[in-house]
Formats: sequence, structure tokens, C-alpha cells
Amino acid sequence: DTGVSQDPRHKITKRGQNVTFRCDPISEHNRLYWYRQTLGQGPEFLTYFQNEAQLEKSRLLSDRFSAERPKGSFSTLEIQRTEQGDSAMYLCASSPSGTHTGELFFGEGSRLTVL
Amino acid sequence: AQKVTQAQTEISVVEKEDVTLDCVYETRDTTYYLFWYKQPPSGELVFLIRRNSFDEQNEISGRYSWNFQKSTSSFNFTITASQVVDSAVYFCALRSNTDKLIFGTGTRLQVFP
Repeated sequence: DTGVSQDPRHKITKRGQNVTFRCDPISEHNRLYWYRQTLGQGPEFLTYFQNEAQLEKSRLLSDRFSAERPKGSFSTLEIQRTEQGDSAMYLCASSPSGTHTGELFFGEGSRLTVL
Repeated sequence: AQKVTQAQTEISVVEKEDVTLDCVYETRDTTYYLFWYKQPPSGELVFLIRRNSFDEQNEISGRYSWNFQKSTSSFNFTITASQVVDSAVYFCALRSNTDKLIFGTGTRLQVFP
């Protein structure tokens, strides 16, 4: 059983460009989460999915951000018109459904640098 | 409001010393879950432990131990006889009536040989 995988691991882009990150969760994990982590801070919740349904979005997720999980498997996080403040590590996590108690399983993250 | 506070930004110890990482949480919920994660330089958050609010029994796993005290809203983590491989950032997290984890700001532990 493979873990959560994220792609790309690193992305350098110029301000104003669009970027997209992909996350493949652990198979049969129905819940998928996106977090953002900046230097010296803990991960901050962005959004999460139960299967293909996006159930919650943080107010951190401006309208330049959009996340999808079209078939309830992998997910994409797109950032449009990137700004330097978007530079961060974007973490994906998954967990089985039906419980609020379990831990989240994290991927290694996608590091974004906006020049 | 729910909040996790890790007041120690960075701790440095010499190998074989014991070290305790502090975690204080805030929640109005009576049912909640507390977690510790380790983030090594590779970046992947590694789950260490989960504790629910009804179980205040302390836990020991090898060199790791956790002290959960509801009276002080604390969930502290102790590493006994630290090793260089323990060097990482450690995060405490809270999960209650929502489906997301709320993390503290982390404590960077450096263990020197």
C-alpha cells in the first residue's frame, strides 16, 4: 500500500502565473485534505473532500484558489495569478471516512516558490 | 475557539539528554482528540500518537512518552535519551467536532552528538 503522493515536489514560478498541484491519496481513503505550511509555522487547513464533495473551505482559500476531486480519487489544487505570498509548502493528507478520530496521513508536500 | 499553543520554538540538547516538548490546547468541546506529529527535514509529517479526551492515561512507547492532563489542558511529549535522529520539528494537533486537524506552530528539536 503506497502512501500519499504529491506532484510536483517543487515548483518555481513567476508572479502572475497559474500553478496546479496534484495529490494521490492512499487508496480507499475517502477523505482528502489540503493544508498550507509557511516557514516556521504549523500546517494551516485549506479545504477537504469526502469522496468528490468539497465539504469545507477555509477563509484562507481566496478565490484564486480552487480544488477539485472529480472522481473521488486524486485531487488537484490550482492557484491562479500567483502572488509572492503564495510561496509555501502545500500538503495533502488523506484518511478513511466514517470517523472523526483518526489521524491524517500526509504526503511529502509540494513546495511553491513565487518569484 | 480551538487553538494549540507550542510555546517552545526551538530546543537544543546533547545526545542522551531527556527533553520535554510542551503543548497546551483550547477547545470548548468535551470530546476531542490530540495528536503529535514529527516532521523531519524531508518534510513529510509522520504520525506519532493519538489520545482521546476521555483517556488521561499516560502512554509510553520506547523512548517516547506522553503526559495528558485535562486539568491544565496540556499534552506534553517527552523523549528519553535523545538521539541525533530525533532532530525534527514536532507538532501538536487538536481534532474535535470538525473533520480537520488544528496544528500548533511546532517545536524544532536539535539533538547534537
